[in-house]
Amino acid sequence: SQQGEEDPQALSIQEGENATMNCSYKTSINNLQWYRQNSGRGLVHLILIRSNEREKHSGRLRVTLDTSKKSSSLLITASRAADTASYFCATDGNDMRFGAGTRLTVKP
Amino acid sequence: DTAVSQTPKYLVTQMGNDKSIKCEQNLGHDTMYWYKQDSKKFLKIMFSYNNKELIINETVPNRFSPKSPDKAHLNLHINSLELGDSAVYFCASSHHSGGAGDTQYFGPGTRLTVL
Repeated sequence: SQQGEEDPQALSIQEGENATMNCSYKTSINNLQWYRQNSGRGLVHLILIRSNEREKHSGRLRVTLDTSKKSSSLLITASRAADTASYFCATDGNDMRFGAGTRLTVKP
Repeated sequence: DTAVSQTPKYLVTQMGNDKSIKCEQNLGHDTMYWYKQDSKKFLKIMFSYNNKELIINETVPNRFSPKSPDKAHLNLHINSLELGDSAVYFCASSHHSGGAGDTQYFGPGTRLTVL
């Protein structure tokens, strides 16, 4: 089985700026999901992109998927302090696997 | 009306003790999971149950034993606790078996500290 690997490990930006996080994986997938984890809490599902999709939007979130490069990116536009959290990607394969996450800090 | 709940939220215990963490979901999902998140925030799956049957059993010590009395509950029993077991344990559930496009819903986590 495989798992997604996020980079950077940590990202610090000012409120209003955009934040981009990347995820790479090793083998073919059916879909890729992004989750957010606030400190001390469980993960919350953000968005799912299927292997036949290249881009998907949800509010201020934009996810891209490049299956040829086996990578995905999560863009949060006009970030807010409340976006401060860790962001994980998860790939399925036979079962869902998570990476170590990107810790995003948005400074007010 | 919490979707996935875990108890206790915090657990502090001595090395060598046996402890249990309970998980319940009221979403009607077929599949439940246990994850371990270590101090580096790396989230690793431990077990997965589908309709009370074990479908994923990662390489975890056999001191860890999941028990699913019904498909709404998946409890985690840990025997002879060790220092390295200190972590946050998350329970999750999904409608199907976690394959293509299946969103998982997570509980709030149980922070286990072994002294």
